[in-house]
Amino acid sequence: GAVVSQHPSWVICKSGTSVKIECRSLDFQATTMFWYRQFPKQSLMLMATSNEGSKATYEQGVEKDKFLINHASLTLSTLTVTSAHPEDSSFYICSAIKEMNTEAFFGQGTRLTVV
Amino acid sequence: GENVEQHPSTLSVQEGDSAVIKCTYSDSASNYFPWYKQELGKGPQLIIDIRSNVGEKKDQRIAVTLNKTAKHFSLHITETQPEDSAVYFCAAHSGGKLIFGQGTELSVKP
Repeated sequence: GAVVSQHPSWVICKSGTSVKIECRSLDFQATTMFWYRQFPKQSLMLMATSNEGSKATYEQGVEKDKFLINHASLTLSTLTVTSAHPEDSSFYICSAIKEMNTEAFFGQGTRLTVV
Repeated sequence: GENVEQHPSTLSVQEGDSAVIKCTYSDSASNYFPWYKQELGKGPQLIIDIRSNVGEKKDQRIAVTLNKTAKHFSLHITETQPEDSAVYFCAAHSGGKLIFGQGTELSVKP
């Protein structure tokens, strides 16, 4: 099956710094990638939809200036959490699809802790 | 927009028993319904999916049923094993994106 790799798997950063998370589709070209945020014992909340070469579409309530998304190629999307604060601590997960209405392949997630 | 409701939030069964998780959705235009299993600290893994032109799909111990008229779909796991213990999420594909249910924490006791 298709593989999506997310890096890093965990990161600890200081308040006020920025953190970049990478999401790569290893063996397929992803037309669209998605970024989710998951708090403990809660569901996955969609943050934004990312298409290669165009601006990401953010869900209501998600600050686009704080969560910068770049989809530079058909195999790579990055999420940068800018000026991180403790309340940004969460589990961030990406997914990628080959075509619309097809299976979404998920990365292993990134545990972000802001201290 | 789409809203997906999932029940129960927790489910405990004895090994060998069946487990059923139910979801409802609101957008009648949704046409793809996957189920994911998530283990602690990991990303979700697809276990089965169904499209709106099919009423039932089975893969070994796992089956999914879909009732388009009532807008609900269910996951059935038979002969449960301890390794089935995890959090299960249903989802509905609507408007180019997946909307997830709240999750069900399944515990299979040996």
